[in-house]
Amino acid sequence: DADVTQTPRNRITKTGKRIMLECSQTKGHDRMYWYRQDPGLGLRLIYYSFDVKDINKGEISDGYSVSRQAQAKFSLSLESAIPNQTALYFCATSGWQDNEQFFGPGTRLTVL
Amino acid sequence: GDSVTQMEGPVTLSEEAFLTINCTYTATGYPSLFWYVQYPGEGLQLLLKATKADDKGSNKGFEATYRKETTSFHLEKGSVQVSDSAVYFCALSGTSYDKVIFGPGTSLSVIP
Repeated sequence: DADVTQTPRNRITKTGKRIMLECSQTKGHDRMYWYRQDPGLGLRLIYYSFDVKDINKGEISDGYSVSRQAQAKFSLSLESAIPNQTALYFCATSGWQDNEQFFGPGTRLTVL
Repeated sequence: GDSVTQMEGPVTLSEEAFLTINCTYTATGYPSLFWYVQYPGEGLQLLLKATKADDKGSNKGFEATYRKETTSFHLEKGSVQVSDSAVYFCALSGTSYDKVIFGPGTSLSVIP
C-alpha cells in the first residue's frame, strides 16, 4: 500500500467552484506539505504544516487554504478556482532528520 | 534566499551514453542536497542524497558528490538506459530544515 495517498487523482472543474484536494499518509510523519508543479517551474510550495496546530504559508499561498485534520491528513482547498490554478498538485511528508520528502502520486487539476 | 539552479533540458541521449546533469546551489551554512526523479505519470521519489560536504550519494548507478567549494551537486551516470527517461530535480534543505527548495527539473530522454 502507498505511504502517501491523494484524492482525487484527476479533477476537471469550472471557474469559481470550490475544490478540495485530500492527502493521507501512513508514514507517521509530523511534517506535511502541498506543492504545485507547472512545466518549467519545478515545484513550488503552497503550504506546510509541522503538526496539527501548525500551518505555514509557502511561496504561492494566495488563492489556497489548508486544513490539518489529524497527523495523517492534510487537505488543500481552492475557495474559488481560476484557470491559472490548472496544474499538478503534490502532497509530501517528511521526518525531522534531514527533511527528505516522500511524495504522493499527485492530483491533476484542470480549471476551465 | 536559498536557491537551486540546474541545467536546462530537455536532454536526449542514446542508450549507454554518459550522463551529467549540472546543479548548483546558493545557501547559507551546510544544507542537505537531494536528487529526485519523476517518472512519467508518477510523483517524485528520492534518487540520492548527501548531507555534508564531500559526501557522495549513489543509487541505481547514479552518483552525485556534495562540493562545498563549488556549491555544486552534479548528477552522473556512466551508462544510461531507456528506463532512465524521466525528469530529474535537484533540491536542497537549508540548515533550518523547514523547507526544501527544488530546481526547475531537467527532462531526460534516452533513445535505443
